[in-house]
Amino acid sequence: GENVEQHPSTLSVQEGDSAVIKCTYSDSASNYFPWYKQELGKRPQLIIDIRSNVGEKKDQRIAVTLNKTAKHFSLHITETQPEDSAVYFCAAINNNAGNMLTFGGGTRLMVKP
Amino acid sequence: DTGVSQDPRHKITKRGQNVTFRCDPISEHNRLYWYRQTLGQGPEFLTYFQNEAQLEKSRLLSDRFSAERPKGSFSTLEIQRTEQGDSAMYLCASKRGNEKLFFGSGTQLSVL
Repeated sequence: GENVEQHPSTLSVQEGDSAVIKCTYSDSASNYFPWYKQELGKRPQLIIDIRSNVGEKKDQRIAVTLNKTAKHFSLHITETQPEDSAVYFCAAINNNAGNMLTFGGGTRLMVKP
Repeated sequence: DTGVSQDPRHKITKRGQNVTFRCDPISEHNRLYWYRQTLGQGPEFLTYFQNEAQLEKSRLLSDRFSAERPKGSFSTLEIQRTEQGDSAMYLCASKRGNEKLFFGSGTQLSVL
């Protein structure tokens, strides 16, 4: 089955700096890669996703890049704000065969004002 | 609120008791998932329904766990003879086909 690893487990940045979270996956057939943000005590919320036919996707201060050859993908947050502080999870799935998302272990992002 | 709903939000039970959780997915979402999440970890897949059919179960799901989705709408997850190791957040999620997956707020289970 799919295995997703996520680094770092914790990340502390100063407000206004950029934050980068990296994930690797094992199944070369995986073709959909979402990112979820989870605030303390709340549900995971989808913030951005990318499909395997695209190398990069941006949505305001958030971007995701995908390297299919190396089987890794990254989340980039620019101009970080204190409200970006949360746990971020990456995930992967082969939508043509697999039926469930496999999640990484999470990154706790702390943005210091 | 038209999102995924879960009930109850919190459940405290004594070891050995049975508990049942309910999930109401987003309407028209044919796929429904149960995940378990412990503190500091990512969600772990438990089981998956397409309409009323339970198509996949994780090896994490012991015989004490059972899930149903009788009419292809809401789902229930029952844990029999609860153990302290069952303490976790139980998350339900739903989607339509291969579209985006949406999570509910979860049921936090504490087994004393």
